[in-house]
Formats: sequence, structure tokens, C-alpha cells
Amino acid sequence: DGGITQSPKYLFRKEGQNVTLSCEQNLNHDAMYWYRQDPGQGLRLIYYSQIVNDFQKGDIAEGYSVSREKKESFPLTVTSAQKNPTAFYLCASSESGTQETQYFGPGTRLLVL
Amino acid sequence: GQNIDQPTEMTATEGAIVQINCTYQTSGFNGLFWYQQHAGEAPTFLSYNVLDGLEEKGRFSSFLSRSKGYSYLLLKELQMKDSASYLCAVRDLSGAGSYQLTFGKGTKLSVIP
Repeated sequence: DGGITQSPKYLFRKEGQNVTLSCEQNLNHDAMYWYRQDPGQGLRLIYYSQIVNDFQKGDIAEGYSVSREKKESFPLTVTSAQKNPTAFYLCASSESGTQETQYFGPGTRLLVL
Repeated sequence: GQNIDQPTEMTATEGAIVQINCTYQTSGFNGLFWYQQHAGEAPTFLSYNVLDGLEEKGRFSSFLSRSKGYSYLLLKELQMKDSASYLCAVRDLSGAGSYQLTFGKGTKLSVIP
């Protein structure tokens, strides 16, 4: 079945540690996105990529990094510079660019120990 | 910047009709989306409006007035499974020349028997 997968479902981070969240899609979509969702807040864009080997910062990129080496994969690293990383992280993709409808993966909940 | 407002919470009775409003202020408007999100899950796409008027899709309809910066999502014949958060998102052209979605904080709908 085609879709977007994120792993793990839950992730625990220790202080000062970098962690990487996985996002994979087999929809052959060109564009991929990372959002953060906090309680009572709207989704906020962290990074997005319109094509392989290219990505752009969103509204809250500080403390995060991404790569887009393959069309189907867009991993997000939460670095130790991100001081408040506890949140629900959602990956999305759209077919041929940012003008298309975005479809979301199941999300990863990150908790700081 | 953008400002998207929608009510925080609503309650409605099973079998009834409910209307969830969304107002927005943005430049470069390029469409409005509604997503449904059950607690702890990913948002799922419901509807898209880019021209004024009503779009109907089964029990769900969405309306847009671009001149008023206003949209609503209409849910008919409410079912218990419709209890969820409903996210309004506006797409516009960012400074980087790509389209971005800005999300409202969501409206939590509770359907009661």
C-alpha cells in the first residue's frame, strides 16, 4: 500500500543528545515537509524540501536539521540546540510541489527525559 | 504574517448539523484546506477551496469567501466518530517563491449522544 511512514512512534531524548526521526514515503511525491505540533497550537513548519538534494527552512528551523538524499526519505534531526523539543512531529508529502495537497504520516511523539 | 482564527471547542449532538468557522488574514492567498485530526493521530485531508462558494463531499461541505477572509466547514448527520479536532489551513506564496500552509490552532469538536 502507498503511504507515509514515520518511526518510531515514541522517542525519548536525554539532555544534550541528538535524535533523528525517520520519514519515508512510497507515493513518488516530490515535496516533503516536517511540522511540529504542541498542545493548543497550530502545526508549525520546521523544514521542507521540494526536490532531492534541496531543502528550505520553515518558520521554526532553529535547533533542527534535515537531509534529502533520496526522493522517498526526509529524516529530521533534533539537535541539542533545540531547547524545548518535546512535541508531536508530523511529516507530510505532496505530489509535485508545494502547490499540491499535503498528506500526513502518523507522527512521532518526542519526549525529553 | 498570517492570522487564522477558529473556535477552540464546540459541542454538538449526534445526528445534528454543526458549522465550524475559520477567518484569516493573509497576502498571496492560494487556497484553504480543512483537515480532521483524531487525538494522537495524523491530520487527514477533508477539503480544499480556492474559489468562492460551496464544495460538497458527502456529509462534509466547505465554504469560502475570499473577499471576507472567511471559510466554514459544515458537518451533517453527526456521528460519534466525528469527535475530533478540525484544522483550518491557508496556503499562500512565501517569500522564497514556494507555497506554504499556515494552520489555525484547530477546533475540538465533541459529539454527544
